[in-house]
Amino acid sequence: DQQVKQNSPSLSVQEGRISILNCDYTNSMFDYFLWYKKYPAEGPTFLISISSIKDKNEDGRFTVFLNKSAKHLSLHIVPSQPGDSAVYFCAASEEGNNNDMRFGAGTRLTVKP
Amino acid sequence: KAGVTQTPRYLIKTRGQQVTLSCSPISGHRSVSWYQQTPGQGLQFLFEYFSETQRNKGNFPGRFSGRQFSNSRSEMNVSTLELGDSALYLCASSLTGPSIYGYTFGSGTRLTVV
Repeated sequence: DQQVKQNSPSLSVQEGRISILNCDYTNSMFDYFLWYKKYPAEGPTFLISISSIKDKNEDGRFTVFLNKSAKHLSLHIVPSQPGDSAVYFCAASEEGNNNDMRFGAGTRLTVKP
Repeated sequence: KAGVTQTPRYLIKTRGQQVTLSCSPISGHRSVSWYQQTPGQGLQFLFEYFSETQRNKGNFPGRFSGRQFSNSRSEMNVSTLELGDSALYLCASSLTGPSIYGYTFGSGTRLTVV
């Protein structure tokens, strides 16, 4: 069961513009959501997270927005830089119950100079 | 501090063989999770261990198994390998399990089954 979905396999943006990566989920019991970035030949690295009680969390150029009614979250990168080119994974977890974290299929972001 | 170490980095095996992958978590981390990454499928959860106990298991056949040792190091084993088992296997460590602070992942073991 794909509880976390990233429907866009790829996204290409120009350097300096905004990148918006989207993620949908089906489990309304998820307590927090995370974004990871992955470069080739490396493991994913944690980027930013948000609790289900919030609708926005910002860290530098990265902002995550959560719309619980739509079961949708997005990651905004402003301004985008060529070094941001990577695969971005959305993940979610339910506190205490399952001891696992569910990941989406990933979106490959390419930032063109 | 040292990160999560996975060995080996690359592995080529023949169908029908078995394989053991190793993961050393960050010192002090007691939870280890394993994921399989394949193109288009993202990261699929295999299992999670905490203090030598498997707390949760994903939807994989019984050919996939794991264990955790008293020093929190973990191994996963795949028996009777199939071509479809070719993937990147990732290990993730954390203090106590999933949290809003995320996991620390290793670089993975790339398994190719021929």
